[in-house]
Amino acid sequence: QLQLQESGSRLVKPSQTLSLTCGVSGGSMIRTSTSWNWIRQSPEKGLEWIGSVHHSGITHHAPSLKDRVAISLDQSKRQFSLTLKSVSAADTAVYFCASALNYDDYYYFDNWGHGLLVTVSS
Amino acid sequence: QSFLTQPPSASGASGQTVTIFCSGSSSNIEFNTVNWYHQVPGTAPKVLIFADSRRPSGVPDRFSGSKSGTSASLAISGLQSDDEGDYYCGSWDATLNGPVFGSGTKVTVL
Repeated sequence: QLQLQESGSRLVKPSQTLSLTCGVSGGSMIRTSTSWNWIRQSPEKGLEWIGSVHHSGITHHAPSLKDRVAISLDQSKRQFSLTLKSVSAADTAVYFCASALNYDDYYYFDNWGHGLLVTVSS
Repeated sequence: QSFLTQPPSASGASGQTVTIFCSGSSSNIEFNTVNWYHQVPGTAPKVLIFADSRRPSGVPDRFSGSKSGTSASLAISGLQSDDEGDYYCGSWDATLNGPVFGSGTKVTVL
């Protein structure tokens, strides 16, 4: 079974860039039916999908974050990454990385990292 | 503000059945499948049901899901103390062109 682990800065200053990495172990990252996702959770907004990357390199982002988000994949390092620019206090949340299975008739998150609390504060 | 609406709380006595509802729209639940996740505070969500009513390997058959129109439900029978926590529905949203989650329901075993 896949294991995912988030790492990165837990404290980011307002207007700066949040950078997180998700390490993947226990399985292949080259799976046609799988996308690699970032999701965040806060008391104000609940669970919020940020975006995804496929092993082909194709990315998708939530429209509300699209201008600030970049997600990339490095299969040689077995990891994928998130950068979120120009952060504010509203970006304070627990950030999860997760794999999603995507077939014709379903799409769901089957493996999750433990989550990393990122606080935006000066 | 979540795309999918759930009641904030639900409860039941040990051994009983509790049902959680999830309300969506034609942009999500009506034409896309529904998933259910269980989250114990301080941990990551774990999938219980996918594709409306299918259980991943290892999830007991006490958990069952169904869908009708723009709403879905999760039933938990034989309620146990380990079932406490937050339950979230999820689906694909055509307007967002991405996955969306419900607002979450906190389940308490009395």
